[in-house]
Amino acid sequence: DAKTTQPPSMDCAEGRAANLPCNHSTISGNEYVYWYRQIHSQGPQYIIHGLKNNETNEMASLIITEDRKSSTLILPHATLRDTAVYYCIVRGFKTDSWGKLQFGAGTQVVVTP
Amino acid sequence: GAGVSQSPRYKVAKRGQDVALRCDPISGHVSLFWYQQALGQGPEFLTYFQNEAQLDKSGLPSDRFFAERPEGSVSTLKIQRTQQEDSAVYLCASSLSLSEAFFGQGTRLTVV
Repeated sequence: DAKTTQPPSMDCAEGRAANLPCNHSTISGNEYVYWYRQIHSQGPQYIIHGLKNNETNEMASLIITEDRKSSTLILPHATLRDTAVYYCIVRGFKTDSWGKLQFGAGTQVVVTP
Repeated sequence: GAGVSQSPRYKVAKRGQDVALRCDPISGHVSLFWYQQALGQGPEFLTYFQNEAQLDKSGLPSDRFFAERPEGSVSTLKIQRTQQEDSAVYLCASSLSLSEAFFGQGTRLTVV
């Protein structure tokens, strides 16, 4: 699976949108972009995933560039509870390897009052 | 409960002791994964089951690590002759086939 590059940390003011970038320049055509987050002392939590088109759910929006080499996770109105490490993961769907999520170091997001 | 349950939440083991970590996946989830997370790092893949079949164990760091899921539900991760470098949080996750994984809260293992 392709590797991802994320900034190590970023701050965001409460109530503002948080835009989290991720580079995945070696992504292949059948690989999806997944986002998870991990709040301190908890297990990772699924946020959203996408292949080509932009996606939105109740937690966030995912914007994938047309060449698919990068993406942005958008938290529209950040709250203090959104403080967490955010992981961008590229994931293929080969049956024998799709369970292997490559987490990397992620981005530590701190939401401040 | 509806989530992935792991026990114990905390385990302190003396170096050389064997430990067994349990994972109860979400009912009906065919896929089960184990990850190891060292302090300050992202989770690292250990092994993956589909039902009772262990399809990938490439992440197990040594032959002291062994995982099983005999009936395709509950899984146990066993570590023999624990070493200090085994100290970490061990995370279990489950999913329906080809969908997002749901993680438990993990077991924090401290080897002294």
